[in-house]
Amino acid sequence: EMVMTQSPATLSVSPGERATLSCRASQSVSSNLAWYQQKPGQAPRLLIYDASTRATGIPARFSGSGSGTEFTLAISSLQSEDFAVYYCQQYNNWPPYMYTFGQGTKLEIK
Amino acid sequence: QVQLVQSGAEVKKPGASVKVSCKASGYTFGSYGVSWVRQAPGQGLEWMGWISPYNGNTNFAQNAQGRVTLTTDTSTNTAYMELRSLRSDDTAVYFCARARSNWLIDYWGQGTLVTVSS
Repeated sequence: EMVMTQSPATLSVSPGERATLSCRASQSVSSNLAWYQQKPGQAPRLLIYDASTRATGIPARFSGSGSGTEFTLAISSLQSEDFAVYYCQQYNNWPPYMYTFGQGTKLEIK
Repeated sequence: QVQLVQSGAEVKKPGASVKVSCKASGYTFGSYGVSWVRQAPGQGLEWMGWISPYNGNTNFAQNAQGRVTLTTDTSTNTAYMELRSLRSDDTAVYFCARARSNWLIDYWGQGTLVTVSS
């Protein structure tokens, strides 16, 4: 069973500073890793896919890295609108076809 | 622009069924899969299943298999998720989402709150 583990559960950072979020897979997912941002009462929004590619319209202050089992989402110079919950997700386009989400990291204002 | 518009909130009793719809627009419906994801109050995201509108193929998460039916209507570009034998722990917001050929989810519906309560 694939397990995605995010750390930390909560991250307190001041506006203007850098935030680094981690995601670890229990087995290799190659580069089939996405990051989503979710604000209260809203649907998730795709930020990063294929581990490091920014989705359309996502600001350059968001960057993703990693492959295999270790992944990182970095947000440079945090803006007020960046405080939200972030989920990593692996997507299997080979058997067994499935998705697994991490439990989320809440990024809060320090 | 890509839009996925879901049906409205539902309140159901334990043991009942619910059917949530998801109407797609702004893209070729048959060229992308539709995934369903749920989120219990205050909790994380849980994948339930995926369907191809092109050929009706489906894949399910283990804990959804047997109680979930996914269908599509290509004449109206609408996907449906039916959940049977509802329990109180099925109370959640249910999202539909568009999935690319590599299974990447790129667009989400607004969510439908399903409340199961006696």
